[in-house]
Amino acid sequence: EVQLVQSGAEVKKPGESLKISCKGSGYSFTTYWIGWVRQKPGRGLEWMGIIYGGDSDTRYDPSFQGQVTISADKSINTAYLHWSSLKASDTAMYYCARRSTMMGGFDLWGQGAMVIVSS
Amino acid sequence: DIQMTQSPSSVSASVGDRVTITCQASQDILNSLNWYQQKPGKAPKLLIYDTSNLDTGVPSKFSGSGSGTYFTFTITGLQPEDVATYYCQQYDSFSGTFGPGTKVDIK
Repeated sequence: EVQLVQSGAEVKKPGESLKISCKGSGYSFTTYWIGWVRQKPGRGLEWMGIIYGGDSDTRYDPSFQGQVTISADKSINTAYLHWSSLKASDTAMYYCARRSTMMGGFDLWGQGAMVIVSS
Repeated sequence: DIQMTQSPSSVSASVGDRVTITCQASQDILNSLNWYQQKPGKAPKLLIYDTSNLDTGVPSKFSGSGSGTYFTFTITGLQPEDVATYYCQQYDSFSGTFGPGTKVDIK
């Protein structure tokens, strides 16, 4: 089955670090991009950045550049989203999604990972 | 940065109605425009890519058109299962901005 499976919900304190994951299966991880999308409670979708599974070429939205790090390990078909120091404003649902090189839409989505940052 | 706007922000229509949503880009994006459906508590789902192409398995009651900076998305024959928020998204090699969304419900 073609799918993206994300790591589970997290509850963290401000200032803590966190890395969440997104594992692809059933397709060639190295020939697709994986993007990360933030959705704050009751709000819209925000494009954070994208990484190519083949060579880890990474692009960030300016709003997220320097705030998070996107990485990937193609040996285990997994992409990551990392924070070195969380803020309460990072509380949100985070989705990973697959984008092909042939068209720009995210055609496969993970189930989402809820991150709650609270003291 | 490319900014995306959508209108209306919400629409309430009757079963069987035709619903049209517009999306505008702050600069020419050619046909690099996608549409997604998000139902409450669920991940978004790609409906249309590159302005007018239906993704696999998406029913033909959904359609899209436009180019440059102005795009439209239409649901022909609204059904209760279409209640959702719909987002447009522009993309290029470096970005993928979403519009603010349009909430569609049944009157």
